[in-house]
Amino acid sequence: AQSVTQLGSHVSVSEGALVLLRCNYSSSVPPYLFWYVQYPNQGLQLLLKYTTGATLVKGINGFEAEFKKSETSFHLTKPSAHMSDAAEYFCAVQNTGFQKLVFGTGTRLLVSP
Amino acid sequence: EAGVTQFPSHSVIEKGQTVTLRCDPISGHDNLYWYRRVMGKEIKFLLHFVKESKQDESGMPNNRFLAERTGGTYSTLKVQPAELEDSGVYFCASSPALAGAYEQYFGPGTRLTVT
Repeated sequence: AQSVTQLGSHVSVSEGALVLLRCNYSSSVPPYLFWYVQYPNQGLQLLLKYTTGATLVKGINGFEAEFKKSETSFHLTKPSAHMSDAAEYFCAVQNTGFQKLVFGTGTRLLVSP
Repeated sequence: EAGVTQFPSHSVIEKGQTVTLRCDPISGHDNLYWYRRVMGKEIKFLLHFVKESKQDESGMPNNRFLAERTGGTYSTLKVQPAELEDSGVYFCASSPALAGAYEQYFGPGTRLTVT
């Protein structure tokens, strides 16, 4: 069965600092991988996805993630945090297209001035 | 283009009562999913419709939950009778039936509180 582990339920950074949110997955087949963000009182919004091809994926708002098969990881990074990045971030894995997403427990990003 | 909408945004009911949640997917999206997040835990899959057919209902917790998608448009999720452990946020998502377009578009969720 697939599973996703997100290390750290809360991550705190200062404005302008590097953001690193960790995601490790387990899957018996090459997975599709996603990062979603949830701002307060809103639904989940797709940040970026990896399906095939280039392993470094760029998303919206300056975020990117790298698929590392050997490490079964898909960590999310952003070079410089903004106050507006404060939200909850979810990593998800999908076995094949159109099937259910399996989510991690989420990481709440706190950004201080 | 309108996004995925869900109604109501909040619902507070007593144990033993019935509640029906509604989801309107993005127009033209054949795939419709229901998920649930219990407080402090991960978002968990409930079921997947392709048009009006249930493709995967492996995540439905028990027979108190009934999902329908008549006509392949909007979907309802009924909980009858509700129990305390049913409290949480219920998300609906949709996606088109296009190869490569695998991301799911989520609604804002319905927060269900059972007292």
